[in-house]
Amino acid sequence: DAKTTQPPSMDCAEGRAANLPCNHSTISGNEYVYWYRQIHSQGPQYIIHGLKNNETNEMASLIITEDRKSSTLILPHATLRDTAVYYCIVRPRYNQGGKLIFGQGTELSVKP
Amino acid sequence: DVKVTQSSRYLVKRTGEKVFLECVQDMDHENMFWYRQDPGLGLRLIYFSYDVKMKEKGDIPEGYSVSREKKERFSLILESASTNQTSMYLCASSFTGTSSYNEQFFGPGTRLTVL
Repeated sequence: DAKTTQPPSMDCAEGRAANLPCNHSTISGNEYVYWYRQIHSQGPQYIIHGLKNNETNEMASLIITEDRKSSTLILPHATLRDTAVYYCIVRPRYNQGGKLIFGQGTELSVKP
Repeated sequence: DVKVTQSSRYLVKRTGEKVFLECVQDMDHENMFWYRQDPGLGLRLIYFSYDVKMKEKGDIPEGYSVSREKKERFSLILESASTNQTSMYLCASSFTGTSSYNEQFFGPGTRLTVL
């Protein structure tokens, strides 16, 4: 599975957009980009995933560059409850057992 | 809502004890996973199972075994607990198939301390 690189930490003001970057320069054609987050003392939670098109759901938007070597997760109006560690993961579409390889993630702190 | 439950939120055991961590999911998922999470090391996959009685080693299987006798239940076993197995243990489950939408659903975690 392709390796990802994320900044270890970021701050964001409450109500502003949080833009979390992820580099995955060795991603291959059959690999999807997934984002999960982990709020303190809880298990990780799925946010969104994409292949090459931008995606949006009720939680966030995912922007993937045209060459697919990087992506950005956008939380449009961050709240204090969005404070968490955010993980960017790439994995093949057909992956026995649906394995995920978690990196270190980005610790997002949303401040009032 | 998918629910993944773990038998204990906190557990304290002594070195050398046999420890069972239980995980149950209620969504008929084929895949189940055990991770451990440690500061600075992130989540690491211990074992996973993609069907009843099937198991595959993850990245750090040493010192652990697993059991999947029923589809909804996946047990992690520490045959002889050691202090370096003090950690947060997370269970997850997911559907299989060819869909890319194989999101994993996680339980709340068990914080195990081995004294």
